[in-house]
Amino acid sequence: GQQLNQSPQSMFIQEGEDVSMNCTSSSIFNTWLWYKQDPGEGPVLLIALYKAGELTSNGRLTAQFGITRKDSFLNISASIPSDVGIYFCAGRTTYGGATNKLIFGTGTLLAVQP
Amino acid sequence: DGGITQSPKYLFRKEGQNVTLSCEQNLNHDAMYWYRQDPGQGLRLIYYSQIVNDFQKGDIAEGYSVSREKKESFPLTVTSAQKNPTAFYLCASSTHTVMNTEAFFGQGTRLTVV
Repeated sequence: GQQLNQSPQSMFIQEGEDVSMNCTSSSIFNTWLWYKQDPGEGPVLLIALYKAGELTSNGRLTAQFGITRKDSFLNISASIPSDVGIYFCAGRTTYGGATNKLIFGTGTLLAVQP
Repeated sequence: DGGITQSPKYLFRKEGQNVTLSCEQNLNHDAMYWYRQDPGQGLRLIYYSQIVNDFQKGDIAEGYSVSREKKESFPLTVTSAQKNPTAFYLCASSTHTVMNTEAFFGQGTRLTVV
């Protein structure tokens, strides 16, 4: 099945550092979503992007919908210990008749050392 | 409170037995999904339903079955035909329109075959 290429796979940083992760695809998407998952829990939506070029912030988080509609990135500024978790990107396409089908990235594991 | 509820959170099954995972939502969402998550991997789509009494196979539907008799409920049955059923299962829902919408997840069910 389809999966998005998400990088990096893992990051180990010091508290206060900025973080950047991205997702790329060979397909065009009309929605990009970014989720955070804590251990043993379901993913929680962080940011949703709907237009190519769109830049959206949610507190210390900023995400952008790539101009080509084939990529997106998420930045976290001034990281804190509670940022620890797995971050997933997800893309939605309505092409091919599969309306509302979400495709997920492989995840980025973030560890923050106090 | 509106939300999506999965039960149970932990489930143990003997080999050769079928087991059904529950997913209920009171968000009035049309679309519902089941994903499987294995350690170090992203979310893989098992089945999805865009409307009551209709559902489609995802990328890894073999050994699973679903039903969608009510808008609020989308139970997943893991059958004995599923060769490697031990995993973390996530249910999600979203509104079903041609507009771009987000998917919201339940807390997950961890299934262990013993």
